[in-house]
Amino acid sequence: NAGVTQTPKFQVLKTGQSMTLQCAQDMNHEYMSWYRQDPGMGLRLIHYSVGAGITDQGEVPNGYNVSRSTTEDFPLRLLSAAPSQTSVYFCASSHGGPGNTIYFGEGSWLTVV
Amino acid sequence: DAKTTQPPSMDCAEGRAANLPCNHSTISGNEYVYWYRQIHSQGPQYIIHGLKNNETNEMASLIITEDRKSSTLILPHATLRDTAVYYCIVRVGENGQNFVFGPGTRLSVLP
Repeated sequence: NAGVTQTPKFQVLKTGQSMTLQCAQDMNHEYMSWYRQDPGMGLRLIHYSVGAGITDQGEVPNGYNVSRSTTEDFPLRLLSAAPSQTSVYFCASSHGGPGNTIYFGEGSWLTVV
Repeated sequence: DAKTTQPPSMDCAEGRAANLPCNHSTISGNEYVYWYRQIHSQGPQYIIHGLKNNETNEMASLIITEDRKSSTLILPHATLRDTAVYYCIVRVGENGQNFVFGPGTRLSVLP
């Protein structure tokens, strides 16, 4: 049971480049989400999905796109990378309902130069 | 959305109980309180959660006040490996699908 798997773990981008952070879960979870964490701060929600084909914006969605074509995968796309997007990105998943545990991936470290 | 307030840092002697407080005075009746911890910048690790009753598992105990405006996470016998940032989080959203994180409490367990 792999849980929540994120790739890549580390990435360096140049300003203006685009890329996709991959997230996959093998627990048949309906809910998936992406958070970012800046130094010394808690995690902030970027986008989330409550099921295949359904996505919505979180607290800090600008500069990011998501799609959910399957239950297992929830990729995060950076359209035109900016230095302000330098951060650690975490993917998370859970079953529906407020009493179900949310599981986090190990993170993807992104540096934009 | 409910928000939480935690002290920025705490120290605890190894082997003693660590009691981490959290205020969530605006919590709604159906919002759960979750505790996670993060060691360095690894992915947040689930510890425990509850709605209104006290909860205990193999890692910790969660004490929620009767009015649900605050809670305390108890690590009964802290070890050096418990040094981490601890987040008290209220699960929000129409279906409780999201977390609102604060800056957390940095717990240092001292030898």
